[in-house]
Amino acid sequence: DTAVSQTPKYLVTQMGNDKSIKCEQNLGHDTMYWYKQDSKKFLKIMFSYNNKELIINETVPNRFSPKSPDKAHLNLHINSLELGDSAVYFCASSQVVRPGAFASYEQYFGPGTRLTVT
Amino acid sequence: GQQLNQSPQSMFIQEGEDVSMNCTSSSIFNTWLWYKQDPGEGPVLLIALYKAGELTSNGRLTAQFGITRKDSFLNISASIPSDVGIYFCAGQLNNAGNMLTFGGGTRLMVKP
Repeated sequence: DTAVSQTPKYLVTQMGNDKSIKCEQNLGHDTMYWYKQDSKKFLKIMFSYNNKELIINETVPNRFSPKSPDKAHLNLHINSLELGDSAVYFCASSQVVRPGAFASYEQYFGPGTRLTVT
Repeated sequence: GQQLNQSPQSMFIQEGEDVSMNCTSSSIFNTWLWYKQDPGEGPVLLIALYKAGELTSNGRLTAQFGITRKDSFLNISASIPSDVGIYFCAGQLNNAGNMLTFGGGTRLMVKP
């Protein structure tokens, strides 16, 4: 199946630990993203990344870092986990559908990873 | 930061009824996307809009890109129980590259 996949689906860990979430897309897209969804279901962009450029949302703590071994993978590393990091994290990828100065993108999401920090 | 105002926050309707939800912003967007999220799943793209005034349908769903480029609505006709979920609008600003800004979501509940 063509899709965006994430592992693990659930992650429970203690404060202070370091953890990673993996993401893979087989859609052939050039750009991948990480989003955080809080308990009120609000979706917030964390990173946008392609093989040329990393765009970081300035509100994301530097304990969070994306790592891309290749175009199809974008993993999220989180150091020194805090209680407030508990959330659902979504990976997404996109393709350009209307190229140009103000190009349009359609983003496709993975199933999410529910992170619980105790 | 930039936010989209999505309303209503929740709706509880009878099966068969039509549904309407909308998003507004103080900024101009060049793309509007509508997503649906089922419990425990990621958002799924329903409809994409690229031009001001554009009206697009996907089955019982219809969405429009507002003429001012600052708003969009989504209509669902003849709702069924499987329409239950959270619907999100998302917009792409001209100066934001490929970044999307999401609305707060509309939680739809359908009574059989």
